[in-house]
Amino acid sequence: DAGVIQSPRHEVTEMGQEVTLRCKPISGHNSLFWYRQTMMRGLELLIYFNNNVPIDDSGMPEDRFSAKMPNASFSTLKIQPSEPRDSAVYFCASSLGGSQGYTFGSGTRLTVV
Amino acid sequence: GESVGLHLPTLSVQEGDNSIINCAYSNSASDYFIWYKQESGKGPQFIIDIRSNMDKRQGQRVTVLLNKTVKHLSLQIAATQPGDSAVYFCAEASNQGGKLIFGQGTELSVKP
Repeated sequence: DAGVIQSPRHEVTEMGQEVTLRCKPISGHNSLFWYRQTMMRGLELLIYFNNNVPIDDSGMPEDRFSAKMPNASFSTLKIQPSEPRDSAVYFCASSLGGSQGYTFGSGTRLTVV
Repeated sequence: GESVGLHLPTLSVQEGDNSIINCAYSNSASDYFIWYKQESGKGPQFIIDIRSNMDKRQGQRVTVLLNKTVKHLSLQIAATQPGDSAVYFCAEASNQGGKLIFGQGTELSVKP
């Protein structure tokens, strides 16, 4: 099992540009979660999906952030336009359902300059 | 200018000693708790979990204790090794929802 796969591992972009982060969950997992980690705020849940349907997006900071899950094996988190304060490590995690077998990817380190 | 980051609580132990990392959780409805280990540059990795109908669970070199009365969780690591150096997070969840809510984290430093 390759685990949760995120791409890219690192992204450096200029303020105002669109950024798209990608995640492939573990096969068979039906829940997917996007987290953001910063020194100031720790690990924050942004949004999660059950069976490809967004369940709770209350953690999404602003309308500049959007997430999609077009099928069971792929999800994207998009920031448009990006701002320097969006700089953080973004993690994707997937689970068998609810909290069972919760597994994190290696993260995408985003730097907006 | 640069933001000043939070200074994580730090626990420094000697190799071979036992470590105890503590966590207070906030939601009385939480019924599932997990400890994660995060090494530099990596995502959080599952260590051990416990359900609210238990007060103790043991794994390999690790033990989790749950005190629901005071909403307190602890992780005990026996014979701590340099490879245990990392940031440790507790997380809580409710069976009514799938999301995990993470605590602030504690940085464990093991001196050889």
